[in-house]
Amino acid sequence: QVTLRESGPALVKPTQTLTLTCTFSGFSLSTSGMCVSWIRQPPGKALEWLARIDWDDDKYYSTSLKTRLTISKDTSKNQVVLTMTNMDPVDTATYYCARTYGSGKEFDYWGQGTLVTVSS
Amino acid sequence: QTVVTQEPSLTVSPGGTVTLTCASSTGAVTSGYYPNWFQQKPGQAPRALIYSTSNKHSWTPARFSGSLLGGKAALTLSGVQPEDEAEYYCLLYYGGAQQVFGGGTKLTVL
Repeated sequence: QVTLRESGPALVKPTQTLTLTCTFSGFSLSTSGMCVSWIRQPPGKALEWLARIDWDDDKYYSTSLKTRLTISKDTSKNQVVLTMTNMDPVDTATYYCARTYGSGKEFDYWGQGTLVTVSS
Repeated sequence: QTVVTQEPSLTVSPGGTVTLTCASSTGAVTSGYYPNWFQQKPGQAPRALIYSTSNKHSWTPARFSGSLLGGKAALTLSGVQPEDEAEYYCLLYYGGAQQVFGGGTKLTVL
């Protein structure tokens, strides 16, 4: 049974760095072809793809946010961590992680999401 | 800036058929964009329905199908049920660092 769960602060101040953790079970990120992606959704708005890390530690970032994002994995802990620097109120959103495979072309399981509010 | 466009809203009667589409600002959508489709109900996480244009997950109801139609990716619901009322998103793959979601289609079953 595949599950993913996002965790992190519910509230961050402007200019701070956000660190989110995706803890998963039911699969291994050391399996060939396996990936984990991060996606966010501002309240009432559409989904936005943010980043992906592959089984071989290749990393990919949204073109518009790449200077602010860092993704990493700890295979032994079954965790993927996303950091986003210089947070702004427009970054207020629900952040999701999702299992992807086939070099990120195929999505299946998603976490429940975690709402992050950016406010002073 | 790549833009993926979906119908903002559609309405369908119970038992009817409706097709949602997904267009790319770069031109015709082909299988090489590996379209994915997701369903999202209020207050819930998205749920994957279709991957690689037309492949269903084990949990995807048979009434959902994916295809390419007129240069766009398409999601067709046949025999719509009231529980299909939701927001639907497509995702296109432009190569490693570029994956773009559409703006979503709000489907009303009325």
